[in-house]
Amino acid sequence: SQTIHQWPATLVQPVGSPLSLECTVEGTSNPNLYWYRQAAGRGLQLLFYSVGIGQISSEVPQNLSASRPQDRQFILSSKKLLLSDSGFYLCAWSVPITKNIQYFGAGTRLSVL
Amino acid sequence: AQKITQTQPGMFVQEKEAVTLDCTYDTSDPSYGLFWYKQPSSGEMIFLIYQGSYDQQNATEGRYSLNFQKARKSANLVISASQLGDSAMYFCAMRSSSSSARQLTFGSGTQLTVLP
Repeated sequence: SQTIHQWPATLVQPVGSPLSLECTVEGTSNPNLYWYRQAAGRGLQLLFYSVGIGQISSEVPQNLSASRPQDRQFILSSKKLLLSDSGFYLCAWSVPITKNIQYFGAGTRLSVL
Repeated sequence: AQKITQTQPGMFVQEKEAVTLDCTYDTSDPSYGLFWYKQPSSGEMIFLIYQGSYDQQNATEGRYSLNFQKARKSANLVISASQLGDSAMYFCAMRSSSSSARQLTFGSGTQLTVLP
């Protein structure tokens, strides 16, 4: 069966520090991968998605970047965090056929202080 | 442009009763998919149910059913026999065939509280 791992679960970082959040998927090949951000009490906002290795599309211009160095690995990064980067970050995967249901990881709660 | 509207910020239901969470959507695409997710306080988004725009019958998954009314562009989630563990945030989402990102557009969510 397929599983998605996302870490760390919680992160507290000072303003101006770098960021690296990692997400890996097991049990499937060539999945679509996604990074979402959720502000407190709000819905999800798509940040990046990838349909293959090295293929990244950005939905919202911002202080963040994403990379997909391996088929089932998706990384969210920042060189210098801003206060506004605080939030709940969720990684998701889907099989790009039929229903294309997205399945989410447990999320990372990021606080930038 | 696609849009999902959930007009109920919060809902309360007595344990063992049924509850309906409202969702309306807006799209000009003839082919689309509708999804419901549950987000407990832990934060993980849990997929509940899917309805395709061409599906003739309303989707059902255990205690969850989707009341799909295409002409009214509504896709309400019905939870039967509510349990305390159903207390969570519920999100309606849509993906249309024109979405190059295969991305989901989410509503703002409904916080459901099940009372003992």
